[in-house]
Amino acid sequence: NAGVTQTPKFQVLKTGQSMTLQCAQDMNHNSMYWYRQDPGMGLRLIYYSASEGTTDKGEVPNGYNVSRLNKREFSLRLESAAPSQTSVYFCASITGASSGNTIYFGEGSWLTVV
Amino acid sequence: AQSVTQLDSHVSVSEGTPVLLRCNYSSSYSPSLFWYVQHPNKGLQLLLKYTSAATLVKGINGFEAEFKKSETSFHLTKPSAHMSDAAEYFCVVRNSGGYQKVTFGIGTKLQVIP
Repeated sequence: NAGVTQTPKFQVLKTGQSMTLQCAQDMNHNSMYWYRQDPGMGLRLIYYSASEGTTDKGEVPNGYNVSRLNKREFSLRLESAAPSQTSVYFCASITGASSGNTIYFGEGSWLTVV
Repeated sequence: AQSVTQLDSHVSVSEGTPVLLRCNYSSSYSPSLFWYVQHPNKGLQLLLKYTSAATLVKGINGFEAEFKKSETSFHLTKPSAHMSDAAEYFCVVRNSGGYQKVTFGIGTKLQVIP
């Protein structure tokens, strides 16, 4: 049981380059989230998807786009990377209320934009 | 509005002494509450969760937390700290209303002194 899998784990980008962070979950959850983690700021929500086919902005969506490809996969795209997007990115999926609303996280993706 | 306040950004304890990490929350709906632990350069691991069952919740590695509705608190405790407990801890609230928002605290770094 893999849980939430995200790739790549580490990436260095040059300013202006684009890239996509991939996330997949095998727990049949409806809700999936992308967060970024910065020192002293906890985790901030970038985008979320309450169900297949829907996506919504979170707290810090600027500079990012997302795609909920199917129920399993939720990708995050940086179209033109900026140094301010240097961060650790976490994908998460969430169970329903009947399973305790538990949040499962991927292992994280460390992104550096130079 | 929903919010989470972790009252201490850093806590330092001696090995073998009790641990107390404080968390207060506000939520308009009946919340689910969680504590997650993050070791350096790792993902977030679920320690324990409260989902409207018993107010005293036991988690992994000897941690427990008590939900106190009157005080809107969900403090994390452990009777005796181990060196391996040194990590960052996040208090998380998820509401059960129509929009199931997830909010993270900014984290508390626990230092364990030998």
